[in-house]
Amino acid sequence: EVQLLESGGGLVQPGGSLRLSCAASGFTFNNYAMNWVRQAPGTGLQWVSSISGSGESTYYTDSVKGRFTISRDNSKNTVYLQMNSLRADDTAVYYCAKARGWELAEGFDPWGQGTLVTVSS
Amino acid sequence: DIQMTQSPSSLSASVGDRVTITCRASQSISRYLNWYQQKPGKAPKLLIYAASSLQSGVPSRFSGSGSGTDFTLTIGSLQPEDFATYYCQQSYRTFGQGTKVEVK
Repeated sequence: EVQLLESGGGLVQPGGSLRLSCAASGFTFNNYAMNWVRQAPGTGLQWVSSISGSGESTYYTDSVKGRFTISRDNSKNTVYLQMNSLRADDTAVYYCAKARGWELAEGFDPWGQGTLVTVSS
Repeated sequence: DIQMTQSPSSLSASVGDRVTITCRASQSISRYLNWYQQKPGKAPKLLIYAASSLQSGVPSRFSGSGSGTDFTLTIGSLQPEDFATYYCQQSYRTFGQGTKVEVK
């Protein structure tokens, strides 16, 4: 069974940093792209970032470029999201999600349970 | 950036109803369109990928169609467990704003 377990969320002051982790199991990790999606309270889903199976290719939504960095350690079956210069509008539940198949464009499945990041003074 | 617009934003329906949700892209996205279901407090679940392919384990009452800029998610006969919010997604990127399916 594929499992994704996020950790690292919490309360951080504006301008601060946080690193999220997503530990994966139940599949050949380095064969699949991994993704981060966030959901601010009471709102919809926003794609944040994706990384290819090898880690060579990374993608970001415009609002986090230059502040967030996605990476992966295939020896540990873990994907990370380093978040710097955090702002109040980064407050959200952050989900880790596996690419459904070989093609990144063919959806995310499954998703982790999410970890809450709150940016507030 | 490509914008995704869902309609309606919400709808009320009864068990057994046929429900249709539309997603429109601001430019052609071929068939790079996915659909998700999300229940309160839970992670989203992939229903349909590549516009019309049913994800493994998803009931056959869910179907998707469309290409280019206009796409549709149809629930053939609404079941009690289908009351939820539905999102479309362009490729691996932009999500629509969501459609909440509520009890009539």
